[in-house]
Amino acid sequence: AQSVTQLGSHVSVSEGALVLLRCNYSSSVPPYLFWYVQYPNQGLQLLLKYTTGATLVKGINGFEAEFKKSETSFHLTKPSAHMSDAAEYFCAVSDNQGGKLIFGQGTELSVKP
Amino acid sequence: DAGVIQSPRHEVTEMGQEVTLRCKPISGHNSLFWYRQTMMRGLELLIYFNNNVPIDDSGMPEDRFSAKMPNASFSTLKIQPSEPRDSAVYFCASSLRGPSSGNTIYFGEGSWLTVV
Repeated sequence: AQSVTQLGSHVSVSEGALVLLRCNYSSSVPPYLFWYVQYPNQGLQLLLKYTTGATLVKGINGFEAEFKKSETSFHLTKPSAHMSDAAEYFCAVSDNQGGKLIFGQGTELSVKP
Repeated sequence: DAGVIQSPRHEVTEMGQEVTLRCKPISGHNSLFWYRQTMMRGLELLIYFNNNVPIDDSGMPEDRFSAKMPNASFSTLKIQPSEPRDSAVYFCASSLRGPSSGNTIYFGEGSWLTVV
């Protein structure tokens, strides 16, 4: 069965600092990996996804993530945090067979001025 | 372009009442998903449809929950009778062919349900 583990339910950074949100997955087949962002009282919005090809994926708002098969990881990074990045971030995994998208528990990002 | 449209956005109901949540997926999308989000359990997939047919309903909590998709542009999630533990945000989402093809799932704004 597939699963996703997000390390740290809450991460706090200063404005301008590096953002690193950790995600590890478990999948018996090559996974498709997604990062979504949820702003307060809103639905989820796709930040980026990895399906095949280049392992470094760039998304919206300056975020990127790198698929590392050997580490079963798909960590999300942004070089310089902005106040508007404060939100909840979800990592998700899907396989190429079942069609389900399984989400991690989420990481709430706070950005201090 | 219109995204996934859900109604109602907010509902407060009394325990024992029937609740019906509605969803209009993005036009042309073949897969539709219902998720529930709570503080305790996070995001849970309740059921998903492909071409209007329920493919996997293993996430539906119990018989009080039912979902239908009578056509490609409309789906409902019904809770009867409702209980306080059903209080949550219910998201509808759709995608072109489902995430198994690497397709993006697009979420609606959610229906915030409170059962008192």
